[in-house]
Amino acid sequence: GDSVTQMEGPVTLSEEAFLTINCTYTATGYPSLFWYVQYPGEGLQLLLKATKADDKGSNKGFEATYRKETTSFHLEKGSVQVSDSAVYFCALTRNAGNMLTFGGGTRLMVKP
Amino acid sequence: DTAVSQTPKYLVTQMGNDKSIKCEQNLGHDTMYWYKQDSKKFLKIMFSYNNKELIINETVPNRFSPKSPDKAHLNLHINSLELGDSAVYFCASSQEGGTGELFFGEGSRLTVL
Repeated sequence: GDSVTQMEGPVTLSEEAFLTINCTYTATGYPSLFWYVQYPGEGLQLLLKATKADDKGSNKGFEATYRKETTSFHLEKGSVQVSDSAVYFCALTRNAGNMLTFGGGTRLMVKP
Repeated sequence: DTAVSQTPKYLVTQMGNDKSIKCEQNLGHDTMYWYKQDSKKFLKIMFSYNNKELIINETVPNRFSPKSPDKAHLNLHINSLELGDSAVYFCASSQEGGTGELFFGEGSRLTVL
């Protein structure tokens, strides 16, 4: 079955540091890939997405590139802020009823 | 104007009780979901409904019964609550044939004592 694996957290960084959160997936065919973010006490929000190989999704300074050869979709940001502190989820769908398969989530803590 | 709204936001109850969580979406989407998030933040799909019909029912105890009176509502009823049911339950919706993006509610934290 489909699966998504993320690096375990928490990831603790100082403000303005470079962020990478690794995500790899297992799925047949050509899934669409997503990063969702969950701020404390809130639901999940879509951060960015990519629907085909070599696509780059970007939003709010975050980027991720769909790499089919390595089945990866790593999330990066050049300079994190305290307000980026949240839990980040990598996910995929093969459009089987639009069901998303999520990774385990990675908590990011950014200190001033 | 909240796109996906759930009630109640917090629910504390005793083992053995029956409780319901309601969800409504005003996005005009065809598909709605229930996800369970455990204490380690792991998210697992429970149910998916498309136009009031059940299309996904993952391995969930039959104490959990979803009900969709119309395509804008998907309620979750839980019978004979157990300690292990304590979690945050998220409702979500998406448009059939879309890119797969889900829109989530803010979650309902259920605590079973």
